[in-house]
Amino acid sequence: GDQVEQSPSALSLHEGTDSALRCNFTTTMRSVQWFRQNSRGSLISLFYLASGTKENGRLKSAFDSKERRYSTLHIRDAQLEDSGTYFCAAGLQGTGSKLSFGKGAKLTVSP
Amino acid sequence: EAAVTQSPRNKVTVTGGNVTLSCRQTNSHNYMYWYRQDTGHGLRLIHYSYGAGNLQIGDVPDGYKATRTTQEDFFLLLELASPSQTSLYFCASSDAEGASAETLYFGSGTRLTVL
Repeated sequence: GDQVEQSPSALSLHEGTDSALRCNFTTTMRSVQWFRQNSRGSLISLFYLASGTKENGRLKSAFDSKERRYSTLHIRDAQLEDSGTYFCAAGLQGTGSKLSFGKGAKLTVSP
Repeated sequence: EAAVTQSPRNKVTVTGGNVTLSCRQTNSHNYMYWYRQDTGHGLRLIHYSYGAGNLQIGDVPDGYKATRTTQEDFFLLLELASPSQTSLYFCASSDAEGASAETLYFGSGTRLTVL
């Protein structure tokens, strides 16, 4: 079964607003990564976390360090260029670099 | 900046056809991966490798072979293509150590259509 569940699957925002995406894991994960896929299909790495939080500009990600069973991606002051599909991917303990991906969250930012 | 190059960008073949997708990374990464992306499924791991000559089975390996000929080159082979293998294929690489360890760097994708 799916080990990574993303929510919501789709989200619409107006420019300047804030929101969050979430990934829940059915078991304890070693690490999490967040990616954005643009309209051309290119996948860009946003964050890699083994614990705690990371911030880059208007994006901030957190990985639950206690139970290691969820991660969030916060988008502050959304801009048109933030539109795309966001994926999280998590690595199980003891599986090396093998990752399991969520099904994605399509974000649309409008004026 | 990690560079992962896939070829071809687009490919059309017929059922039963023989297809090879190519991937080259130029950053001396240890790990390379092949994923397929389908609506409603996200990205699913087909095969991966942690070095030349090594091959590991992913989550959806049926109907696919792969070969890692050098540290830079990883190939995905469909010897008897079927319509269910119509998909967008991504290659990725990652390092095993260092500050960016395990961060995936993706190629631009290959869109395969099997008629």
